[in-house]
Amino acid sequence: DAKTTQPPSMDCAEGRAANLPCNHSTISGNEYVYWYRQIHSQGPQYIIHGLKNNETNEMASLIITEDRKSSTLILPHATLRDTAVYYCIVRVAGYNQGGKLIFGQGTELSVKP
Amino acid sequence: GAGVSQSPSNKVTEKGKDVELRCDPISGHTALYWYRQSLGQGLEFLIYFQGNSAPDKSGLPSDRFSAERTGGSVSTLTIQRTQQEDSAVYLCASSLGGQGGQPQHFGDGTRLSIL
Repeated sequence: DAKTTQPPSMDCAEGRAANLPCNHSTISGNEYVYWYRQIHSQGPQYIIHGLKNNETNEMASLIITEDRKSSTLILPHATLRDTAVYYCIVRVAGYNQGGKLIFGQGTELSVKP
Repeated sequence: GAGVSQSPSNKVTEKGKDVELRCDPISGHTALYWYRQSLGQGLEFLIYFQGNSAPDKSGLPSDRFSAERTGGSVSTLTIQRTQQEDSAVYLCASSLGGQGGQPQHFGDGTRLSIL
C-alpha cells in the first residue's frame, strides 16, 4: 500500500472550515483514499473515502487532485467536538486484497473557541 | 443501528495469564479485523477474516496470539501467557465485504493491562 504524509498538527477556529492535507504521491490507480479520525479513548471513526472523484457526505468533503497524488479533507464548519487525530490512508481496491488499513501518525487537529 | 461491540471494555490481568477478547461485528458484515494500539503508537493490524476464506494472520506478533471467528459472526482474540508488552488497546472492526471500497467500522476497543 502507498504511504501517506500528513502534517503532525493543525489548529482551526471554531465555526471555520478545517482543511486537512494529505500527500500520497505513490498511490496506484486501484487504491482508494480513506479518512478516519480518532477521538481520545474511542475507536477510529470512518469519515469518507474516494477513488478518483471528489466526494461529500454529512460529515465532510474529500477533494482529490486530478493526478491523485494528494487530497484534502474539508470539515466545513468545525466544532470543538471535531478535535481529534485525523488519519489519511490509501487502500487497495481489489476484492480480498483490501484487508488491512495501515495507519500513520495522522494530523492532530485542535479546534479552538 | 448497532455498531461493533467489544467486551470487556477493560481487562487487567497478571503476567503469564491467558486472556480472551470478544468482538461482535455489525450484523451482515462478512469481513472482520483485529488491530491493536499501544500507548503512543499507531494502530497495528493483527488479523483479518473474510467469509469462509483462510484468515490473513500476517500481523499476529507471536504464536501466543490467535483468533477465531465462529459462524461467520462473533470473533475471539486469545493471548496466551501474557507479557507486559501485550498491554494495549485491542480494536475490532468489521466491513460489509473485503473489497477496498467497503469502509471498516471500529468498536471502542478493549483496554488490556498486564501487571
